[in-house]
Amino acid sequence: DAGVTQSPTHLIKTRGQHVTLRCSPISGHKSVSWYQQVLGQGPQFIFQYYEKEERGRGNFPDRFSARQFPNYSSELNVNALLLGDSALYLCASSLQRTSTYGYTFGSGTRLTVV
Amino acid sequence: ILNVEQSPQSLHVQEGDSTNFTCSFPSSNFYALHWYRWETAKSPEALFVMTLNGDEKKKGRISATLNTKEGYSYLYIKGSQPEDSATYLCASQITGANNLFFGTGTRLTVIP
Repeated sequence: DAGVTQSPTHLIKTRGQHVTLRCSPISGHKSVSWYQQVLGQGPQFIFQYYEKEERGRGNFPDRFSARQFPNYSSELNVNALLLGDSALYLCASSLQRTSTYGYTFGSGTRLTVV
Repeated sequence: ILNVEQSPQSLHVQEGDSTNFTCSFPSSNFYALHWYRWETAKSPEALFVMTLNGDEKKKGRISATLNTKEGYSYLYIKGSQPEDSATYLCASQITGANNLFFGTGTRLTVIP
């Protein structure tokens, strides 16, 4: 069974552009969460979607948005990119909204803004 | 934002040595504590999820303990092997929130 898949694995964008990152959860998982990891820091929570509705939002500006599709895959969109948006973006899926069985992470999308 | 701290930041040990790291987290509104192992260029792999004070979990040579009253968890690796080299992340989960609050990780290097 495939794990959590994220695409693309790497991309380079210019300041001011927008970007869309994609995540496919493990089959049967209804919850998808997005995290941003900047070098030297731990992953920081951006969004959680469960059953296609936003269930949690971290301390990120409105330039960040996301959605979840009927097949539970998800997109993270970032508008008006800044240099500081350069980071590894991780997607995690779980069966339920709150999991004490752990979350399954993808290997991330490395975004570089120049 | 929850302040989750891990120490040490990095650690080098010889193959065969046993080692341990610490994760500190706020004890108020505690729900669960997660440990992940993250090898370079791979995805973080869940090791343990602990919820009860005094919990101890074991997976092969790796074990973890939890003290929710004082807000800390220890991860132990017995007889370290080069394949144990990775970053070990802990993350706290609080009641009423669906997300994890991560520490900055402990980077372990096992020297053959």
